[in-house]
Amino acid sequence: DIQMTQSPSSLSASVGDRVTITCRASQGITNFLAWYQQKPGKVPKLLIYAASTLQSGVPSRFSGSGSGTDFTLTISSLQPEDVATYYCQKYNSAPLTFGGGTKVEIK
Amino acid sequence: QLQLQESGPGLVKPSETLSLTCTVSGGSISSSSYYWGWIRQPPGKGLEWIGSIYYSGSTYYNPSLKSRVTISADTSKNQFSLKLSSVTAADTAVYYCARQSRRVVVVITHLDAFDIWGQGTMVTVSS
Repeated sequence: DIQMTQSPSSLSASVGDRVTITCRASQGITNFLAWYQQKPGKVPKLLIYAASTLQSGVPSRFSGSGSGTDFTLTISSLQPEDVATYYCQKYNSAPLTFGGGTKVEIK
Repeated sequence: QLQLQESGPGLVKPSETLSLTCTVSGGSISSSSYYWGWIRQPPGKGLEWIGSIYYSGSTYYNPSLKSRVTISADTSKNQFSLKLSSVTAADTAVYYCARQSRRVVVVITHLDAFDIWGQGTMVTVSS
């Protein structure tokens, strides 16, 4: 099975900072990669699918890039409401595996 | 708009079967465009896909759980269900149901990301 590895597992940044989270697949998954945001105590929310397509209603400060095995989620200017854990997920084929998550906090 | 709601017992005894239902409102599970999935999250841990079902009954399961999982759909009630047998404390988690798009390329079915989620239901396995 393909493994999804996220890094870092946690980060602390200041409001307005550019934040980058990386997700690496153990085998190529073309662009079948999604990013989710889960705020504390809340339901996961789809942010990005097909590696770089922003889900409707998601702020434009979020962006995704990559293909094959290496992917990136970028928050261009971190806001207080972005405090959350972010998960990547591959969906090219079953099993639909999630990464371990990256917890983002405000410094 | 489309809403999903999980229901079922919040406490299950070890070795018994966990049974949950997801009721879909504001849309039909019989749509040819979607699969319907179950995902779980142990307390303080990450997300784990359990499996997904098409209204016709076609399923995909996580191999790590496949021997214990059954997902079924009831189109007359607009519901789909999860059964997980022989549960242990390791199955304690918040269980989510969610919708995912379905694409057919040539003859191969592909599942997309989960775009609409239920609120989740906490299930504890304990005697």
